Amino acid sequence: GAVVSQHPSWVICKSGTSVKIECRSLDFQATTMFWYRQFPKQSLMLMATSNEGSKATYEQGVEKDKFLINHASLTLSTLTVTSAHPEDSSFYICSARELAGGPYEQYFGPGTRLTVT
Amino acid sequence: AQSVSQHNHHVILSEAASLELGCNYSYGGTVNLFWYVQYPGQHLQLLLKYFSGDPLVKGIKGFEAEFIKSKFSFNLRKPSVQWSDTAEYFCAVMPAGIYNTDKLIFGTGTRLQVFP
Repeated sequence: GAVVSQHPSWVICKSGTSVKIECRSLDFQATTMFWYRQFPKQSLMLMATSNEGSKATYEQGVEKDKFLINHASLTLSTLTVTSAHPEDSSFYICSARELAGGPYEQYFGPGTRLTVT
Repeated sequence: AQSVSQHNHHVILSEAASLELGCNYSYGGTVNLFWYVQYPGQHLQLLLKYFSGDPLVKGIKGFEAEFIKSKFSFNLRKPSVQWSDTAEYFCAVMPAGIYNTDKLIFGTGTRLQVFP
């Protein structure tokens, strides 16, 4: 089946530093990848949609300069949290949609737990 | 704004009990509907989906869901739960047709605990 990986699975960083999270589709090509944020006991909130070779589309209220997204290839998208602050601590999940096959199914990565101290 | 409501936040059942998790959405147009499951320590997995056709859809592991358009609902059911069904369940909606954005709108999730 379609597998999506994320790296790292967890990261602790100091306030003011930047953190990069990778999302990879391991056995399929993904034209579109999505980045979500999940707060404890809450739903997944879509942050941005990333299309290969073009700029990401951010949801309302998401700071594009803080959450930099790059989708340089059909198998890799990265999310960089710049100048992280404690309020950025969260669980970040990516998903990927196949180039071919079912039009709407997204495959999810295992998530990255970010803690900013 | 579109939203998805899951009224049951935490459900506790004994093995072999029947399960029904509610999901209601607010959107007047055509929708694609999904149920995802997240087992402890694992990533989200698709349980089942509805795009069109028979409103009663069957998914993996004995789960099924029924789309009732008039009630804007897509409830998840399983006649007999097992301990291994302990997980978090998320309902999700995607506006379809000419308003399709490929964006999933998730409910807040329902935590299911099944005791042997």
